[in-house]
Formats: sequence, structure tokens, C-alpha cells
Amino acid sequence: DGGITQSPKYLFRKEGQNVTLSCEQNLNHDAMYWYRQDPGQGLRLIYYSQIVNDFQKGDIAEGYSVSREKKESFPLTVTSAQKNPTAFYLCASSIPPGRGMNTEAFFGQGTRLTVV
Amino acid sequence: QKEVEQDPGPLSVPEGAIVSLNCTYSNSAFQYFMWYRQYSRKGPELLMYTYSSGNKEDGRFTAQVDKSSKYISLFIRDSQPSDSATYLCAMKNRDDKIIFGKGTRLHILP
Repeated sequence: DGGITQSPKYLFRKEGQNVTLSCEQNLNHDAMYWYRQDPGQGLRLIYYSQIVNDFQKGDIAEGYSVSREKKESFPLTVTSAQKNPTAFYLCASSIPPGRGMNTEAFFGQGTRLTVV
Repeated sequence: QKEVEQDPGPLSVPEGAIVSLNCTYSNSAFQYFMWYRQYSRKGPELLMYTYSSGNKEDGRFTAQVDKSSKYISLFIRDSQPSDSATYLCAMKNRDDKIIFGKGTRLHILP
């Protein structure tokens, strides 16, 4: 079954600790994305990557870091510099535009991070 | 002005009614338009994808894009209680960045 897998589903972190959220896809998509969702805020873009070893900051990148060493994987690290990390984190992937194919994004089921 | 504007609702309609959900946007470079449905504590599920202006129909769902007015719509016919969810519009231009609206909470009343 093709899809996007996020793990873990729930994650608890102590203040001052870094934590890494996993995102893996087997859809053979080049582009991958990380979003944060807070109540009443919709989805806000943290980082996105169009190709291996390259990524761009989104609208709220401060306090987060990413890597894209493999096409299938796009892990997100929430660092201690992120002031308000408790949120629902969503990973997505898509085919980039301009390839004669649909370019819609597909999502994983999310990771709920709580700082305790 | 935000890039994508979407009324957060909540929107309550009786079962069987036609639902109209809308988004406006400011960036004329957007070319690809999507609607997602999201149930509580779940990832968004793609409902409709359209490229440029026009209409697209899939079962009870119809998506419309009017690029001249920078306005997109999603219509749900014969609405069911199971349609109760948050609906998110999203759009993308050729630089691959996807921007979402804040989502509209929809309640279908039995």
C-alpha cells in the first residue's frame, strides 16, 4: 500500500529537549512538506523540500530543523528554541508541478506533540 | 491581506441540503487548487484537485475555480451527517509551495 507514515502518533517532550518526528513515504514523490496545525489556525508551513539534499523555509521555520538525505524520508526536529511546540504536526508529499501529472499533496495521519 | 482567506464557520445545515464552501486568494500565480476534508485528530484527506479555472465534479462534490475573481468553491450535494468535518482549501503555484486556508467547520444536522 502506498502512503505516508508519520510516527509516533503521540509524543511527549520535556521543556528544553529536542525531539524528532518521523515522516516516510513510498509514493515516489519528490516534494515533501511539514505543517503545524493549532486550533483555529489552519495549516501553517514549516519547511518543504522539492528534492533530496535541498529544502526551503516556510512561514514558521524558527525553532525547527529538517533534513532530506533520502527521497523517502523527511524528518522534522523540534528544537528547544521553539517557544510553543505543543501542536499537531502533519507531513505531506506531492509530485512537483510541470511534469504533466497531477500535483496534489497527500498527508500522513499526524503526530500530536505535547510539551510537559 | 492574507494569501488565502476562508471563513472558519462553524456552518450548520440540515441533512440533504446543498453546502457551499468558499475561499478567496490574493496571489494570481496560484494554478493548482485542492480541497481537503479533515476529521478531528486525523490527517487531511484529499477530496478534489483542479488545475486552473473551471469546474470538476466527483460524485456529490463539485469544485469550481474562477481565476479572474480569485475565488474557489466546493459544493456538496445531498449532504450527510458523515460530511460533518473541517474543510480546507489549498493552492499551489509552480514553486511548489502549498498554502492553506484556515478551514471551515461544517455540521450537518440530522
